[in-house]
Amino acid sequence: KQEVTQIPAALSVPEGENLVLNCSFTDSAIYNLQWFRQDPGKGLTSLLLIQSSQREQTSGRLNASLDKSSGRSTLYIAASQPGDSATYLCAVDQYGNKLVFGAGTILRVKS
Amino acid sequence: NAGVTQTPKFQVLKTGQSMTLQCAQDMNHEYMSWYRQDPGMGLRLIHYSVGAGITDQGEVPNGYNVSRSTTEDFPLRLLSAAPSQTSVYFCACRSGQGSEQYFGPGTRLTVT
Repeated sequence: KQEVTQIPAALSVPEGENLVLNCSFTDSAIYNLQWFRQDPGKGLTSLLLIQSSQREQTSGRLNASLDKSSGRSTLYIAASQPGDSATYLCAVDQYGNKLVFGAGTILRVKS
Repeated sequence: NAGVTQTPKFQVLKTGQSMTLQCAQDMNHEYMSWYRQDPGMGLRLIHYSVGAGITDQGEVPNGYNVSRSTTEDFPLRLLSAAPSQTSVYFCACRSGQGSEQYFGPGTRLTVT
């Protein structure tokens, strides 16, 4: 059974810092991996989707990497801003139709 | 485009009552899913559909029913509510296998 773990569970950084969020998964036979952002009381917003054949994806200040063989993905946020404060969720798509989520990392960026 | 809409936003039920959570999408996506989110846990898949007339179970299907008669709608029915079903429920859609998933704003359900 696929299990997804996110470390750390919570992170507090000063504005302007570069930071890395980690995601690990137990079964490397995946279709793709998605990173989401969730603001309090809101739904999920897709940030980046990495196909299993890709090594990384970039969108603005965000860069996500994928190492399938080791079962790891990282989300790198450059020059963090208070508006980046949210919960970040990693989800593995194993068959192309079901996502398995990690519990998330709660990020707080202090101004 | 509204994207994915869910109603109601909030609901309180008594144990044993039944209700339907509504989900609609105007993106013409074939795939739709229901997840629940509990504190300290990631989202867990309840049921999903890969097209009208086709549904399948996810990780936690017990106590829930779904049907998919149109591409746009995917309602989730609670047959006999239990306190363990207190959660936030999210509906999602995607255009096809392995594509990006889009989520609705969620329904917060409390069962007393």
